[in-house]
Amino acid sequence: TQLLEQSPQFLSIQEGENLTVYCNSSSVFSSLQWYRQEPGEGPVLLVTVVTGGEVKKLKRLTFQFGDARKDSSLHITAAQPGDTGLYLCAVTRSGTYKYIFGTGTRLKVLA
Amino acid sequence: GAGVSQTPSNKVTEKGKYVELRCDPISGHTALYWYRQSLGQGPEFLIYFQGTGAADDSGLPNDRFFAVRPEGSVSTLKIQRTERGDSAVYLCASSRGPGGNEQFFGPGTRLTVL
Repeated sequence: TQLLEQSPQFLSIQEGENLTVYCNSSSVFSSLQWYRQEPGEGPVLLVTVVTGGEVKKLKRLTFQFGDARKDSSLHITAAQPGDTGLYLCAVTRSGTYKYIFGTGTRLKVLA
Repeated sequence: GAGVSQTPSNKVTEKGKYVELRCDPISGHTALYWYRQSLGQGPEFLIYFQGTGAADDSGLPNDRFFAVRPEGSVSTLKIQRTERGDSAVYLCASSRGPGGNEQFFGPGTRLTVL
């Protein structure tokens, strides 16, 4: 059983559309991170959320941590081809420094 | 400034051979992580170093895998008797310290075992 389930697995949309991707778990976490990974590169950290219900914005990206700190969403407004990539969520278990990544959402934005 | 670098970028080897993958972290970063990423999957934790010591090696799949960081900087991931199932991208990341600090990833080494 995957600790972090991400959905959808794949998403292909037209430039200018909005989208939301999800990261879900049955476990509670102290914090959650979102990364974007482009082909041939390592993941790059986008944001860390730590408080239940927290909302963070990064330009056209809006991140929300669930009230119960079990899930998170990433919403992109007016997607652009530069948003194309693999979006990953990651958590650490309390008392460890071991990062666990989700399965990822592969986003393709068509011009 | 220089980011995390990994060498080689690509490694092709034959089943049963030994390979070494190298990671040069960002200068001054005390924490170093190794991950393995298979096609279509997220990175899978292998091992975490704090300084020279392996603080958590619970992700190493078996005793064919070993990693060192003798001087607290450069790290080498060693795989003995490689198997076709070891084929993946091996990612290294470093951070200023453990837990909660931003991880900076290298571009990875793509290992192909024929």
